[in-house]
Amino acid sequence: EAEVAQSPRYKITEKSQAVAFWCDPISGHATLYWYRQILGQGPELLVQFQDESVVDDSQLPKDRFSAERLKGVDSTLKIQPAELGDSAMYLCASSFLGDSPLHFGNGTRLTVT
Amino acid sequence: GESVGLHLPTLSVQEGDNSIINCAYSNSASDYFIWYKQESGKGPQFIIDIRSNMDKRQGQRVTVLLNKTVKHLSLQIAATQPGDSAVYFCAETAYNFNKFYFGSGTKLNVKP
Repeated sequence: EAEVAQSPRYKITEKSQAVAFWCDPISGHATLYWYRQILGQGPELLVQFQDESVVDDSQLPKDRFSAERLKGVDSTLKIQPAELGDSAMYLCASSFLGDSPLHFGNGTRLTVT
Repeated sequence: GESVGLHLPTLSVQEGDNSIINCAYSNSASDYFIWYKQESGKGPQFIIDIRSNMDKRQGQRVTVLLNKTVKHLSLQIAATQPGDSAVYFCAETAYNFNKFYFGSGTKLNVKP
C-alpha cells in the first residue's frame, strides 16, 4: 500500500537554529497537509496545499515557519528560528480529493533544546 | 471556530469485550467524518469514515454511528484485542472547507 514518506523521523536541535522537514505524498494526491501534534493532543493544521498553491495557512506562524511545494509533489516545512515551544510531532498528510480520507506519514518528532 | 471533542480521555476494556469511543462535534455543517487510530510513535491510521447522509457504517470489527441531531459520533470496536490499544481520534470536515478538525483523542487500553 502506498505511503506518505517523511524525513527525518527524529530531529533534535537547539533553539534559534533552523530545521527543515520533508514530505513526499502518495502519488496522485493533489492535496497535501502539514499538521503539528503536541503530545496528548490531536493534530492541528498548519498549512494546506492544493497542488503547488497554498489554500490555507491561517494557523501557520509565518514569522518563523514557511512551507513550500514548488512542483506540486513533495513539500518542505521549515522553522527558523526554532523555539522551545516548537517541540512536537510534525505530521504530513495527503488526500486525493478534499473530502476523501487523509493519509498520514509517521511524522518527524522535533525536540528543541 | 469548529470544535471536535471527546468525552473520555482514557478507556480501559477487557480483551474480548466491545469498546465504544465517543466524539462530539459542534459544526452542524460538517458532512464528512473519519476515525483514526494512532499508535505510539506513528502517524494516525485511517479506520473508517462516514458521510452525513448515513447514520451507520460498518467495517471489519468496527462500526461508526452518526447522530446529526445531537452532533455525536461514536466508534464501536467488537471483540477488542490487545492490538487495538492506541489513541483514537475523530475528525470532521465540511465539504466546502476541505479542512479537517481533530478531537483531542481517547486512549484505549485493552487488558489481557
